[in-house]
Amino acid sequence: AQSVTQLDSQVPVFEEAPVELRCNYSSSVSVYLFWYVQYPNQGLQLLLKYLSGSTLVKGINGFEAEFNKSQTSFHLRKPSVHISDTAEYFCAVSPGNQFYFGTGTSLTVIP
Amino acid sequence: DTGVSQDPRHKITKRGQNVTFRCDPISEHNRLYWYRQTLGQGPEFLTYFQNEAQLEKSRLLSDRFSAERPKGSFSTLEIQRTEQGDSAMYLCASSSSEAYEQYFGPGTRLTVT
Repeated sequence: AQSVTQLDSQVPVFEEAPVELRCNYSSSVSVYLFWYVQYPNQGLQLLLKYLSGSTLVKGINGFEAEFNKSQTSFHLRKPSVHISDTAEYFCAVSPGNQFYFGTGTSLTVIP
Repeated sequence: DTGVSQDPRHKITKRGQNVTFRCDPISEHNRLYWYRQTLGQGPEFLTYFQNEAQLEKSRLLSDRFSAERPKGSFSTLEIQRTEQGDSAMYLCASSSSEAYEQYFGPGTRLTVT
């Protein structure tokens, strides 16, 4: 079975400050890892994915994430956030078909 | 192609009524997924199709729920005898069998009164 834990339900951060959103997972099989962003009243948009290879992956809007197999983590980072980054962020794992999502982290960027 | 589309975007219905939602995936995608998202939660898997075959169903998908994808293109999700607990956002996603990322539609928000 697979499960995803997003440790922080809400993260407030000042504009232009760095941010890290944490994600830990558990799985009995190899999984692929994803981060999605959801703006109010919209569907989910793919930020980045880890399938294999380099453990540091870069995505859209200046986000990056690092896969750590030993710690079963896939934390999302951005060195300098903008007001427009205010949204809900979801970490997800997939063994190849269905996705298992965390409960989300609400990122609020403060001007 | 403009992405995954869902119709309607919002649906308000009375308890006990039947509702049907439609999802049109990205045209070249052969896989289609349905998820349910309640307030403050991440999406939860309901079911998935590869072409017209329904390959997997979650335990969340009670007998009142049925999904179809008759020609391997669009899909419908029907909920019979709706209950207040069915109020949620219903999300559709599609992917190709060669890639693992899923592309999501805007969702249908169901409110059961």
